[in-house]
Amino acid sequence: GNSVTQMEGPVTLSEEAFLTINCTYTATGYPSLFWYVQYPGEGLQLLLKATKADDKGSNKGFEATYRKETTSFHLEKGSVQVSDSAVYFCALSADNQGGKLIFGQGTELSVKP
Amino acid sequence: GAGVSQTPSNKVTEKGKYVELRCDPISGHTALYWYRQSLGQGPEFLIYFQGTGAADDSGLPNDRFFAVRPEGSVSTLKIQRTERGDSAVYLCASSLVGQGVGDTQYFGPGTRLTVL
Repeated sequence: GNSVTQMEGPVTLSEEAFLTINCTYTATGYPSLFWYVQYPGEGLQLLLKATKADDKGSNKGFEATYRKETTSFHLEKGSVQVSDSAVYFCALSADNQGGKLIFGQGTELSVKP
Repeated sequence: GAGVSQTPSNKVTEKGKYVELRCDPISGHTALYWYRQSLGQGPEFLIYFQGTGAADDSGLPNDRFFAVRPEGSVSTLKIQRTERGDSAVYLCASSLVGQGVGDTQYFGPGTRLTVL
């Protein structure tokens, strides 16, 4: 079946450090891929998405590239801020599945000043 | 504009009781989804509505769980004979069409259900 695997957290970084959160997926066909973020005390928000191979999603300095050959969608940011501290979820939406999302387990990021 | 709203924000109940959780989607969104998020885990799909009909209920864990969307807008998730294992945050999301590739889902703040 379809699934998403993320690197385990928590991830602790100093401000201005480089961030990578790994995400790989298993799916038939050509899924759409998403990163959602959950800030402390808030609901899930879409961070970025990509709908086909080699697409790059980007938002708020974060980027992720849809790599079909490695079935990956790693999240990167060149310089993190304290305000980026949150839980990040990778997710996929498979073909002909009505848009339902399959999530990874989440990766908690803590950025220290 | 208003986002997805869910009520109540918190619900504490006793084992064996019946509960209803409500979701008010973004106006005009035809697709509505329910997910369940246990502590330290990602959300798990429960059910998807396209308009008034349940297009996919494959994620409902058993027949104690039921959801309706009678007028194609507000939805209610109903849980009968609650068990301690039902304790989780129940999330609702809506999207414009639900079937398009990469259609964005907008999530509500969730209802935290605690079964004692």
